[in-house]
Amino acid sequence: GNSVTQMEGPVTLSEEAFLTINCTYTATGYPSLFWYVQYPGEGLQLLLKATKADDKGSNKGFEATYRKETTSFHLEKGSVQVSDSAVYFCAPPGTGFQKLVFGTGTRLLVSP
Amino acid sequence: KAGVTQTPRYLIKTRGQQVTLSCSPISGHRSVSWYQQTPGQGLQFLFEYFSETQRNKGNFPGRFSGRQFSNSRSEMNVSTLELGDSALYLCASSLAEVNTGELFFGEGSRLTVL
Repeated sequence: GNSVTQMEGPVTLSEEAFLTINCTYTATGYPSLFWYVQYPGEGLQLLLKATKADDKGSNKGFEATYRKETTSFHLEKGSVQVSDSAVYFCAPPGTGFQKLVFGTGTRLLVSP
Repeated sequence: KAGVTQTPRYLIKTRGQQVTLSCSPISGHRSVSWYQQTPGQGLQFLFEYFSETQRNKGNFPGRFSGRQFSNSRSEMNVSTLELGDSALYLCASSLAEVNTGELFFGEGSRLTVL
């Protein structure tokens, strides 16, 4: 089935630093890809998505480009804020009726 | 528009007991998925329901079960609890019958098994 590999966390950054969270996946065909974010004490919420190869998803200053040649979907932000501290999940679709496949997530800690 | 509501938010049980968790999806959403979140394993898929039918089940033992009612509300049950069942259980609803990948999550039910 489909799977995802994310970099281990936590990622610790100072405010205004550049962020990259690596994500590689295995999936059949060229599915849509997603990043979800989980803020402390909350459920997950969709951050951004890309629906086809070379597509760039963006939201709240975060970006990710769908690279089919490297099966990657790395998340980037040019200048992180303390409020970005959260756990980030890269997610390809699941197989059958499993909507999404999530990995362990990457915890981001941003200090002032 | 109300979001996904999960109850209870927190609960403590002892080994051997059973637990029932409830999820009310966003109004109009007919698909409900359940995930177990633990620090070591991340998010693992439990099952997905659509129109009262379980369409897919993850790799969990038979102690984990669920159902969906005609109003799309869903419950999951874990019997004979084990320490390893301690986790955050997340419910997510979606509008479309087909997989668009866009899920709306509740805040979860945090289960502690002593």
